[in-house]
Amino acid sequence: KQEVTQIPAALSVPEGENLVLNCSFTDSAIYNLQWFRQDPGKGLTSLLLIQSSQREQTSGRLNASLDKSSGRSTLYIAASQPGDSATYLCAVRSGSGGGADGLTFGKGTHLIIQP
Amino acid sequence: GAGVSQTPSNKVTEKGKYVELRCDPISGHTALYWYRQSLGQGPEFLIYFQGTGAADDSGLPNDRFFAVRPEGSVSTLKIQRTERGDSAVYLCASSKGWRGTDTQYFGPGTRLTVL
Repeated sequence: KQEVTQIPAALSVPEGENLVLNCSFTDSAIYNLQWFRQDPGKGLTSLLLIQSSQREQTSGRLNASLDKSSGRSTLYIAASQPGDSATYLCAVRSGSGGGADGLTFGKGTHLIIQP
Repeated sequence: GAGVSQTPSNKVTEKGKYVELRCDPISGHTALYWYRQSLGQGPEFLIYFQGTGAADDSGLPNDRFFAVRPEGSVSTLKIQRTERGDSAVYLCASSKGWRGTDTQYFGPGTRLTVL
């Protein structure tokens, strides 16, 4: 059964710093990995999706990398801003059946950017 | 509509009552997913539809939970004899197809509170 772990669970940094969020998964047979942002009381906003054949994806100040063989992904946020404060979730899409057709999520990293 | 919509946004009910939660996927999306997110946790997969049929319902916690998608578009998640432990945010997602590489787009969720 696929399991996803996110470290750290919470992070508080001053504005302007670069930071890295970590995600690991136990089964490397994935179709893709996706990073989401969730604001309090809101739904999920997709940030980046990396297909299993890709190594990284970039969007603005965000860069996500994927090392499928080691079961790891990182989300790099450059020049952090207070508006980046949110919970960041990592999710993987695995094989077929047994719930694997859906995404398996980590518990998230709660990020606070101090002004 | 432009995105996935869910109604109601909030639902408060009493223990033992029956509730229905509705999901309108993005027009033309053939795959539809339901997830449940408890406080402080990542979303957990419940059920996945390909067209009108439930392709994988292995995430439904027990037989009080049931979902339908009779015309391959709108889906309804039904919960009988609700319990306090059913309180959570119920998220719906849709994707263009059911390939493992297709991106899932999430709705804003329905917050269910069972008193």
